[in-house]
Amino acid sequence: LAKTTQPISMDSYEGQEVNITCSHNNIATNDYITWYQQFPSQGPRFIIQGYKTKVTNEVASLFIPADRKSSTLSLPRVSLSDTAVYYCLVGEGSSNTGKLIFGQGTTLQVKP
Amino acid sequence: GAVVSQHPSRVICKSGTSVKIECRSLDFQATTMFWYRQFPKQSLMLMATSNEGSKATYEQGVEKDKFLINHASLTLSTLTVTSAHPEDSSFYICSATNQRRTGTHSYEQYFGPGTRLTVT
Repeated sequence: LAKTTQPISMDSYEGQEVNITCSHNNIATNDYITWYQQFPSQGPRFIIQGYKTKVTNEVASLFIPADRKSSTLSLPRVSLSDTAVYYCLVGEGSSNTGKLIFGQGTTLQVKP
Repeated sequence: GAVVSQHPSRVICKSGTSVKIECRSLDFQATTMFWYRQFPKQSLMLMATSNEGSKATYEQGVEKDKFLINHASLTLSTLTVTSAHPEDSSFYICSATNQRRTGTHSYEQYFGPGTRLTVT
């Protein structure tokens, strides 16, 4: 599975847009990019998944450039409750197991 | 929809005893369930992948005789930590997925709330 690299931590303020970039230089043709959010002492929660260009849902947007070697999770107008760890994962699209390997994640701290 | 529960949420046991953790998908059938462990301030580590009715596939370095996984039905998987020791104290999290529902290219897993195991 392709390895991902993300900033260890980020700070933001309420109401701002937050962009978290993830590098995955060795992404394979069949790989999809998935982002999860985890609050302390809870299981992770799926945020968004994409393959190329842009994906948007009610929570976030995911931007993937043409070479797919990186991706950016965009959280619009964050609030204090968005303080959490965000994980970028790259999975093998041809796999039937949907297995996820979590990296270190980015700890986002939203300040008032 | 897509709710996964775990029981118990917290458990304290003595060294040498065994502990069973249950993972249930409440409103969908889980074709695959996964078990993770997470130490404080660290990321999740995948322990094993479990498909209903078949033996679990363990990740490298995970002792299958110590961490027994049973996936007897499409809504229940159990993890038994046998002969627990203090170093097994951790946060154990399960997740479930149904790729017939989300699609074969989906990595959307539904996670349980986790079980905090403390071995004294």
